[in-house]
Parts: sequence; structure tokens; C-alpha cells
Amino acid sequence: NAGVTQTPKFRVLKTGQSMTLLCAQDMNHEYMYWYRQDPGMGLRLIHYSVGEGTTAKGEVPDGYNVSRLKKQNFLLGLESAAPSQTSVYFCASRRQGAIPEAFFGQGTRLTVV
Amino acid sequence: AQTVTQSQPEMSVQEAETVTLSCTYDTSESDYYLFWYKQPPSRQMILVIRQEAYKQQNATENRFSVNFQKAAKSFSLKISDSQLGDAAMYFCAYRSRINAGGTSYGKLTFGQGTILTVHP
Repeated sequence: NAGVTQTPKFRVLKTGQSMTLLCAQDMNHEYMYWYRQDPGMGLRLIHYSVGEGTTAKGEVPDGYNVSRLKKQNFLLGLESAAPSQTSVYFCASRRQGAIPEAFFGQGTRLTVV
Repeated sequence: AQTVTQSQPEMSVQEAETVTLSCTYDTSESDYYLFWYKQPPSRQMILVIRQEAYKQQNATENRFSVNFQKAAKSFSLKISDSQLGDAAMYFCAYRSRINAGGTSYGKLTFGQGTILTVHP
């Protein structure tokens, strides 16, 4: 049981390049989230999804797009990377219902130069 | 919107001693969850402890316990008998309890984090 898997673990981009981060979960969770972690700011929500085919904006959505074509996958896209998007990105998922625990992936360290 | 504040960027403790990490939050809601997460150098986010706001009893998980003061909106984490493996970044987090409309969708609001160093 892999839990939540993020691909890739590390990436260096040049300003203006595009890339997609993949999050895959094998727990049949309805909810999935993308957060970014920056020093002194904790984790902030970028986008989230409450089910296949649905997405919504979080706290810091600008410069990012997401898609959830399959229940188990949640993709985060950067169309034109900027140095301000240098960060560690975390995906999380959780089951719908009362049990509140979210499961996190191991993070992706992205550097935009 | 809810906010979570951790006012201690760094804390240190001697091995086997006790340390308390502070967290305050702001919300107008009455029903919610509070969490402490541990992030070691591996970056993995590990759930340490959870507190339901409707429960008056403070949560405890082995050497980890919380002091939940709902009126003061305070949620501190006490680590007893500190071990070298406790060294990590610790995050306090808030989550609305999902209501019938499901509008919160389980989103977590995090504090800034506290780096805990454990000295041998």
C-alpha cells in the first residue's frame, strides 16, 4: 500500500518553462489537495478537489492549474514557471466523512532559476 | 477565515527533558479539529496528535499531550522525555469540521512551524 505518491521528488526549472506535478493515491480517497511550503509561512493551500472531475481554488492559486480526470490522480501544472514558485509542494488526500486524517505525499522540491 | 500562529520559530530541549510548543488560532467556528504535525528532515508530514474541539479532555498520545484552551484559542503541544528522534519541524494546523454543506472540504490551515532541536 503506497499511500500518496508524488512525482517527481526534485526538479529544477528555468523561468518560463512548464511542468506538471503528479499526485497518485491508492486509498480511494475522495478529497485531494495541493499545498506549498515556504520558510516562515507553513503550508498554504493551492488547489483542492472533492471528487473526480471537480477542482477548486485554495489560498494561493495564481500561476497554477490542476486537473483530476481520475479519482486516484491529482495533477498540478505550472504553465510558465516563475522564481516565486520555488517551493516544496505537498499533495494530500483524505476520505470523505467524519474521520479527519489527511495523508501526505513526501513532497516535491521545485527550484525555478 | 481562520488563522493559526506559532510564535516560536525555534525551540530547543535537552534529551529526556520536557518541552512545550505554543500555538494560537483565530476562528469564529465552534466545531473544528486541531492537529500537530511533525516534519523530520525527510520532509514527510507525520500526524502527531489530534484534538476535537467539542471534547474537553486533552488528547494524549504516549509522550505527546496537548493543552487545549478553547476560550483562549490556544493549543500547545507538550513533549515529555524528549528523544533525539523528536528533532523536527512541528506544525500546528486547524480544520473546520465538515458541515452538511461540505463547504470546508477538510482544508487544513497551518501555522508557520517551530523547529525543535534536541540536545544529547
